[in-house]
Amino acid sequence: SYELTQPPSVSVSPGQTARITCSGDALPKEFAYWYQQKPGQAPLLLIIKDSERPSGIPERFSGSSSGTTVTLTISGVQAEDEADYYCQSTDSSGIQVVFGGGTKLTVL
Amino acid sequence: EVQLVQSGAEVKKPGESLKISCKGSGFDFSNHWIGWVRQMPGKGLEWMGIIYPGDSDTRYNPSFEGQVTMSADASISTAFLQWSSLKAPDTAVYYCARNVLPNSFDVWGQGTMVTVSS
Repeated sequence: SYELTQPPSVSVSPGQTARITCSGDALPKEFAYWYQQKPGQAPLLLIIKDSERPSGIPERFSGSSSGTTVTLTISGVQAEDEADYYCQSTDSSGIQVVFGGGTKLTVL
Repeated sequence: EVQLVQSGAEVKKPGESLKISCKGSGFDFSNHWIGWVRQMPGKGLEWMGIIYPGDSDTRYNPSFEGQVTMSADASISTAFLQWSSLKAPDTAVYYCARNVLPNSFDVWGQGTMVTVSS
């Protein structure tokens, strides 16, 4: 079955830039989405269609795509950004939705 | 306000049946796919499948097909997820979420914690 691969953890100091990657063979063809999940909360949609921000999402969150890898970039990381981040896409059929394993962002 | 409100936490014994719900408001529930996502304790998100309440068209993740049943009643803007015989590994938080094209989930329910224990 199709998989999206994320690093288990990323650490960054406040004010620095965090980059979280997500790799999958179908990503050149299928859009990727990013979610933020804080403990005890439902996921929040951060990035749509590789790089677009839904309304209400701070500008410090951005997304990009290159080949089989998509990247979530958080510029000027704040303590409140400490959370789990998940990428999501579909397999090459465009029907089966897949989530990456998640990346825990720690703000030092 | 667009929202999904899920039914409350459940504690069940292995072998029991269960049906949890997800009620939408503030949008045309019949014309949006609704997805279900499992999150086992301390683990990541797993897509279980989606249902279109307008005609009950359903697409399952093969890993969950036969293990759960998705249904919906568009007249009351509610989607359901049910088990006929729960097992301990079904212990998890289950989220419903509104699917928007092409394939993201923009509105999430608060989650329903299901605990299966003898």
